[in-house]
Amino acid sequence: DTEVTQTPKHLVMGMTNKKSLKCEQHMGHRAMYWYKQKAKKPPELMFVYSYEKLSINESVPSRFSPECPNSSLLNLHLHALQPEDSALYLCASSHSLGGETQYFGPGTRLLVL
Amino acid sequence: GENVEQHPSTLSVQEGDSAVIKCTYSDSASNYFPWYKQELGKRPQLIIDIRSNVGEKKDQRIAVTLNKTAKHFSLHITETQPEDSAVYFCAARTNAGKSTFGDGTTLTVKP
Repeated sequence: DTEVTQTPKHLVMGMTNKKSLKCEQHMGHRAMYWYKQKAKKPPELMFVYSYEKLSINESVPSRFSPECPNSSLLNLHLHALQPEDSALYLCASSHSLGGETQYFGPGTRLLVL
Repeated sequence: GENVEQHPSTLSVQEGDSAVIKCTYSDSASNYFPWYKQELGKRPQLIIDIRSNVGEKKDQRIAVTLNKTAKHFSLHITETQPEDSAVYFCAARTNAGKSTFGDGTTLTVKP
């Protein structure tokens, strides 16, 4: 299995809602990543997990809360988002940090109303 | 932090011609340089990558070169086909797993 899966594919939420994005991989990768991509822009790194520990937080607002419950699963909890948070949220994984191929999931397209 | 500049932002070529996209990076700690192709509404797809201990890598019609001293790397696509049309991103990554992407190049291959 060489795939990263993400659910849901699409999500519409109000500014007072709480929702979660889910990412899963069964490749035995120990590094997992969250990226945010706005239209016509490159992916921007948000968080990096290595061996289930948060290793990088790119000064992301606290309304985004990552969680890595086990080596296969990565969640992104969303609360009190703003309309400007609407974007494609991409999860990725790699065998380890550094010079390793990253595999991207298909993304969750989020719309905040 | 790392800054990756990518040029050109748009590139239009005739089918069969070559396309070259160039990137420069600033952080000497970056040691892994992937190139991604992203079609509209799809995920970024790795097409080729190069590590800092290698100067050149080729995979069929696609090649990448890296000049560590000058901190720049380039993507070369030969014999372009209409299905090569997409947005291409370069990226630079450190051992800590921090990736910085260029702003992207929209490649259009005209039949």
